[in-house]
Amino acid sequence: TQLLEQSPQFLSIQEGENLTVYCNSSSVFSSLQWYRQEPGEGPVLLVTVVTGGEVKKLKRLTFQFGDARKDSSLHITAAQPGDTGLYLCAGATGAGNMLTFGGGTRLMVKP
Amino acid sequence: KAGVTQTPRYLIKTRGQQVTLSCSPISGHRSVSWYQQTPGQGLQFLFEYFSETQRNKGNFPGRFSGRQFSNSRSEMNVSTLELGDSALYLCASGILAGGSYEQFFGPGTRLTVL
Repeated sequence: TQLLEQSPQFLSIQEGENLTVYCNSSSVFSSLQWYRQEPGEGPVLLVTVVTGGEVKKLKRLTFQFGDARKDSSLHITAAQPGDTGLYLCAGATGAGNMLTFGGGTRLMVKP
Repeated sequence: KAGVTQTPRYLIKTRGQQVTLSCSPISGHRSVSWYQQTPGQGLQFLFEYFSETQRNKGNFPGRFSGRQFSNSRSEMNVSTLELGDSALYLCASGILAGGSYEQFFGPGTRLTVL
């Protein structure tokens, strides 16, 4: 069974602070995706990382895939209240469209 | 392009009943996956359908089943409902892009079992 451990589970910070969310596993994934989910909605894909060591930037968000493709991190610079939500990492393996999700990080950014 | 639609959005059932949930993927997407989301277990993979065939299956009992039609629309069925089946059921429409699938989730169906 493949598991993705996400940390921290909860994060409450002030607007303007930086934060990092971690996603770790003992398994190798062919790709890793990050999603953000708001209450009453389905998760929305933020980014997909495929290559070990890959770094992708999306405005104030920086995503990194570990060299061994077992872990990933999401760094948010100068967080804003609009960043509040549930952040989920998800790993893909094998054929088909099947994802293993981490437990999620619930982020609250206070103005 | 229209997004993924799921019906119904909310459902209340009692133990022992059965339920059918529907998902219409984004036009052109042939892969449909289903997930169960609960506060305790998070998001767990149920199954994936591709071209009317079940391609992957998660670790759920046989009470959970699904199917996909020729137009890629998918349904999932849960028989003999238990209290623990109360959850948000999410459908994801997938397309292969750059060697990996990009998934687009619907808003989910909130199932409450009383």
